[in-house]
Amino acid sequence: DAGITQSPRHKVTETGTPVTLRCHQTENHRYMYWYRQDPGHGLRLIHYSYGVKDTDKGEVSDGYSVSRSKTEDFLLTLESATSSQTSVYFCAIGGGETQYFGPGTRLLVL
Amino acid sequence: SQQGEEDPQALSIQEGENATMNCSYKTSINNLQWYRQNSGRGLVHLILIRSNEREKHSGRLRVTLDTSKKSSSLLITASRAADTASYFCATVNWGAGSYQLTFGKGTKLSVIP
Repeated sequence: DAGITQSPRHKVTETGTPVTLRCHQTENHRYMYWYRQDPGHGLRLIHYSYGVKDTDKGEVSDGYSVSRSKTEDFLLTLESATSSQTSVYFCAIGGGETQYFGPGTRLLVL
Repeated sequence: SQQGEEDPQALSIQEGENATMNCSYKTSINNLQWYRQNSGRGLVHLILIRSNEREKHSGRLRVTLDTSKKSSSLLITASRAADTASYFCATVNWGAGSYQLTFGKGTKLSVIP
C-alpha cells in the first residue's frame, strides 16, 4: 500500500463520542486525502490537504474536521460521531494526478 | 456529486474470457483513471488516459476514451480468477489547489475459474 498506513484499522464507538483517524505516509507526497466508502455511493471525498496546514473541504465534509501539522500525518476527526458516519474510511496520497490508497479504517458508530 | 457512472454494476465471466466495463461522466475532464479494489483492501491505480488520447494499453488492459460521448471503457483480456475485484473509474480535474478525483460507484467483476 505504497507507504501509507492508517490507524486504527477497526473501531467501534458510541454516538456522540469524538473519534480521530490517523493517516501516515512515508512517501513525502504533498497531497493527502480522506474519503469515505459506502455501499451504493462509491468513494466520496471528505477533506484534502495540499500542504502542511493547508486543507480544504470535499464533497461530504459536514461533521468532519482535519489537521495536518507535518507532511507525513493527516488526521481526520469526527467531533461527535453519528450513526451516519459508520463507513470505511480511506486515506490517499498523491504527488500529482494519481492517488495511492491506504488499507482503510472500518468505523462502526453504535 | 458522482461524476463517473460505471456499467454494468456487476459482471460475472469465465476465466479466459474478456471483461468490458464502461464509464460515463458528465463534465469536461483533464484525464480519466481506472482503479481496482480487491475485497477489504484499498484502491490500486491501474491506468490513466488523458483527454487528448483515445486509447491506451497496459498489459492485458485496454482503455478507450470518447470525450464527445463523455465515456470510457476498460477491457481486461484473457481474464484470470485473480482479476476478481471491483473496478472504479475516476475523472480528474484540477481545482482548489489540488487534483480532484471523482469516483463512480464501481463494477464488481467476478471471474469464475
